[in-house]
Amino acid sequence: AQTVTQSQPEMSVQEAETVTLSCTYDTSESNYYLFWYKQPPSRQMILVIRQEAYKQQNATENRFSVNFQKAAKSFSLKISDSQLGDTAMYFCAFMKLKSGGSNYKLTFGKGTLLTVNP
Amino acid sequence: SQTIHQWPATLVQPVGSPLSLECTVEGTSNPNLYWYRQAAGRGLQLLFYSVGIGQISSEVPQNLSASRPQDRQFILSSKKLLLSDSGFYLCAWGGGIGYEQYFGPGTRLTVT
Repeated sequence: AQTVTQSQPEMSVQEAETVTLSCTYDTSESNYYLFWYKQPPSRQMILVIRQEAYKQQNATENRFSVNFQKAAKSFSLKISDSQLGDTAMYFCAFMKLKSGGSNYKLTFGKGTLLTVNP
Repeated sequence: SQTIHQWPATLVQPVGSPLSLECTVEGTSNPNLYWYRQAAGRGLQLLFYSVGIGQISSEVPQNLSASRPQDRQFILSSKKLLLSDSGFYLCAWGGGIGYEQYFGPGTRLTVT
């Protein structure tokens, strides 16, 4: 079974600064996807960024980027120019891709609570 | 564009009472559908998933059940709620090109 570990329960950053959230995972699979989701105080889960394991290039989405180290099984999220609206719980998630299957299940870490201070 | 709805948004129920939470998806067909539970201060636990009408798989044995009577409707039920059933319930749909899942707004359930 896959496991996802987020070792930082809480982090804080000053507005406009850069912060990196850590995530490691354990799997014997070679074909998978990794995701970061954001859950603001409203509790709506919002997809932030996706990384395909077969791609060496790190994914980026505006101020959000990842550092994907496949051999180390590490998938960190970097938030640049932090904004007050980035305050949220951030979850790292793993999805194994089954050949010939149609269901894809997410395994979540326990989350990192990020607070952006003015 | 796709939209996912959940209701009710908030529910307070006594122990031993029945439960029915509904999730519907618009703008897509034959989606994979998922029910998750999030306990206070914790991550998400997958409860059920469905790849088609009438096809339900359970991830965690418990007193909850799920049904999918229509392609874009997913229902979470219980005959008798327990205190431990309290939590935040999220429905999600998936099956897009990038395999990502998109979540509904959630239902906050308090069992008293």
